[in-house]
Amino acid sequence: DAGVTQSPTHLIKTRGQQVTLRCSPKSGHDTVSWYQQALGQGPQFIFQYYEEEERQRGNFPDRFSGHQFPNYSSELNVNALLLGDSALYLCASSLGQGLYEQYFGPGTRLTVT
Amino acid sequence: AQKVTQAQTEISVVEKEDVTLDCVYETRDTTYYLFWYKQPPSGELVFLIRRNSFDEQNEISGRYSWNFQKSTSSFNFTITASQVVDSAVYFCALSEIQGGKLIFGQGTELSVKP
Repeated sequence: DAGVTQSPTHLIKTRGQQVTLRCSPKSGHDTVSWYQQALGQGPQFIFQYYEEEERQRGNFPDRFSGHQFPNYSSELNVNALLLGDSALYLCASSLGQGLYEQYFGPGTRLTVT
Repeated sequence: AQKVTQAQTEISVVEKEDVTLDCVYETRDTTYYLFWYKQPPSGELVFLIRRNSFDEQNEISGRYSWNFQKSTSSFNFTITASQVVDSAVYFCALSEIQGGKLIFGQGTELSVKP
């Protein structure tokens, strides 16, 4: 039973560029949430997707957008990258929009230079 | 507003010692969930426990135990007879009953030395 998978593992981008991160949820899960974890900090909630719609959003600018596909996989897009966007981006999947515990993927380490 | 505070930034113990990680939370909700996650150096957050605010019973799972006290808004985590493999960053988190958005604390880095 595959757990949550994320790609790529690492990514280096330049300020102003755009990036797309991908997540496949654990088998049987229908909800995907994205978190940003800066070095030495706890993860911060970006947004959650359920039934292909954004259901909840944290305190992140519109440069952060996402999508959920019919197979429940999800993408996180960040436009106009800033140095401060450098972080570990974690995807979590769950069943039923938060009724059950969330399981996390290994993350994508994004470095913006 | 919801908030989770883990006052201990770093803890260092010697193998076989018991160690308690503190977690204090703030919420206006009367019902909520509390969680603990472990983050080893590999980076992946590993789910340890979820506790419903209705249930204040303490829980034990092997060497792990959790003490939930609603009166003091605390959800502390104790590792008995610590092992080197317990070395990791541990996060306490809070969520609403509906929705699932997790609010994390800053984390406690536990180092267990042989």
